[in-house]
Amino acid sequence: DAGVIQSPRHEVTEMGQEVTLRCKPISGHDYLFWYRQTMMRGLELLIYFNNNVPIDDSGMPEDRFSAKMPNASFSTLKIQPSEPRDSAVYFCASSSPERGNEQFFGPGTRLTVL
Amino acid sequence: AQKVTQAQTEISVVEKEDVTLDCVYETRDTTYYLFWYKQPPSGELVFLIRRNSFDEQNEISGRYSWNFQKSTSSFNFTITASQVVDSAVYFCALSEVTGANNLFFGTGTRLTVIP
Repeated sequence: DAGVIQSPRHEVTEMGQEVTLRCKPISGHDYLFWYRQTMMRGLELLIYFNNNVPIDDSGMPEDRFSAKMPNASFSTLKIQPSEPRDSAVYFCASSSPERGNEQFFGPGTRLTVL
Repeated sequence: AQKVTQAQTEISVVEKEDVTLDCVYETRDTTYYLFWYKQPPSGELVFLIRRNSFDEQNEISGRYSWNFQKSTSSFNFTITASQVVDSAVYFCALSEVTGANNLFFGTGTRLTVIP
């Protein structure tokens, strides 16, 4: 299997612009997670899906953030409008209960908002 | 509430030394999973180990070993004969066994192995 795929790997944008991050989970995994990593806050969970349904979005910072999972093989995390404090590395991960909750992480998207 | 504490922010060792990374956790669950992940300078998160709370046997994988002590809520990670390639940030994490299985991460320990 190819592993979790994220795109783009790097994104530089200007404040106020819309940013869309993409994730393809491992085939057969029914959980998908979005994390954000910053120096100040470490790794924090933003939202997770089970069978394409959002289960817990309490980690989403504010209404500017939204996430969707239209099918089992694709998810997006959108920031609109972006702000400099959104600069971080965003990780997507997927897992399956059959694998004992082991989460496989994508390579991350490094977002810089100028 | 779930909480993972990695008190060591940064550790430096000389190559070939042994090093232990500490992890202490808090949970009200009677069953849970514990994990270690490695984040090398390239940035990806690499899974190292998963331990179920009812399995307190220590585990060894090559130069890596893990000591799980439920009595002290600790899950420590030891690297024997460290190598430069071991330089990375190491994260300890906790998750539930059933239902929501999101990971609660510690703040990480940055290990630098000096040649």
